[in-house]
Amino acid sequence: NAGVTQTPKFQVLKTGQSMTLQCAQDMNHNSMYWYRQDPGMGLRLIYYSASEGTTDKGEVPNGYNVSRLNKREFSLRLESAAPSQTSVYFCASSVTTSVIQPLHFGNGTRLTVT
Amino acid sequence: DAKTTQPNSMESNEEEPVHLPCNHSTISGTDYIHWYRQLPSQGPEYVIHGLTSNVNNRMASLAIAEDRKSSTLILHRATLRDAAVYYCILRGNAGNMLTFGGGTRLMVKP
Repeated sequence: NAGVTQTPKFQVLKTGQSMTLQCAQDMNHNSMYWYRQDPGMGLRLIYYSASEGTTDKGEVPNGYNVSRLNKREFSLRLESAAPSQTSVYFCASSVTTSVIQPLHFGNGTRLTVT
Repeated sequence: DAKTTQPNSMESNEEEPVHLPCNHSTISGTDYIHWYRQLPSQGPEYVIHGLTSNVNNRMASLAIAEDRKSSTLILHRATLRDAAVYYCILRGNAGNMLTFGGGTRLMVKP
């Protein structure tokens, strides 16, 4: 069981370039999430998908788009990268969005935008 | 969501118990108390959660005050591998997404 797998692990972009961060889970979870973590800070929710076919904005959605490709995969797209999007991005999944269901996190994608 | 307050950092000696405090004075009756930890260069990891009663699992124990305005995560015997940032988070039915604050950085000395 790999759990939550994120690719790539590291990425450097120039301002204005686009890229897609990939996330896949093998736990048959219904809900998936994208967070960002800036240096010395806690995680902030970007977007989430409560179930296949639905997506909703989190706390900091501006500059991002998401796609729930199927039950396993949830991608995050930066259409025109900006230096303010330099961060570590974490994908997570849970059985449902119920408050008692724990989230399982991947090990992150470290993104630098120059 | 109700807020939590945690010390920025704590130190512990290896093989001693560690008590990590969390204040949540504005907690509502339906808020669950969750704890996650984040080891260096890894994603957060679920530790434990509870509502009113104390909870135990293989990783830790969670002690919840009778008025629920505070809680304590207890690591019974700290190891070097327990050095991490520990987050105390409230999750309620209104806006129930996990919201991470600053957490407590636990340092474990050999």
